[in-house]
Amino acid sequence: ETGVTQSPTHLIKTRGQQVTLRCSSQSGHNTVSWYQQALGQGPQFIFQYYREEENGRGNFPPRFSGLQFPNYSSELNVNALELDDSALYLCASSRQGPGELFFGEGSRLTVL
Amino acid sequence: AQSVTQPDIHITVSEGASLELRCNYSYGATPYLFWYVQSPGQGLQLLLKYFSGDTLVQGIKGFEAEFKRSQSSFNLRKPSVHWSDAAEYFCAVGPNDYKLSFGAGTTVTVRA
Repeated sequence: ETGVTQSPTHLIKTRGQQVTLRCSSQSGHNTVSWYQQALGQGPQFIFQYYREEENGRGNFPPRFSGLQFPNYSSELNVNALELDDSALYLCASSRQGPGELFFGEGSRLTVL
Repeated sequence: AQSVTQPDIHITVSEGASLELRCNYSYGATPYLFWYVQSPGQGLQLLLKYFSGDTLVQGIKGFEAEFKRSQSSFNLRKPSVHWSDAAEYFCAVGPNDYKLSFGAGTTVTVRA
């Protein structure tokens, strides 16, 4: 069984640029959630995708957007990058219904 | 609004000693409660979860937690710590199993 995989693992961008992060969900899972973890803090919920539609969103501005594809993989897009967007971005997949999130190892974004 | 407080930023414990990590939450209804562990360079791994029922929950790696509604607490315990338990531990609360609010984490150091 393949776990949650994320790419890239590390990347560096400059302020104002755009970034796309990718996530492949675990086999058999149909939902994907994205979290932002700033250094020294706990993860913060960005949004979840189910059936290719956003299904809940945290307190993040519209420049954070996402997609889910028919194979349940997902992308997180961040436009107009700011220095505070520097963080570890975690993707987690799950089956719809009460259960648990399975997290990937994350993509570490540095904005200069 | 939901929130989690983990009062201890860092705990050092001797191998073989017991461990208790504190978690206090704020949530208006019956919460979904979780404990996750994060080792360096790794994603988050679920230790245990509470949705309903028995307030003493058993998890993986010998961990347990007790839900105390009157104290709004969900403390994590392990009777005998192993060196491999050194990691960062996060408590999380949410209205469901994916829109979670995490605490800032407790770093556990295990000394020989």
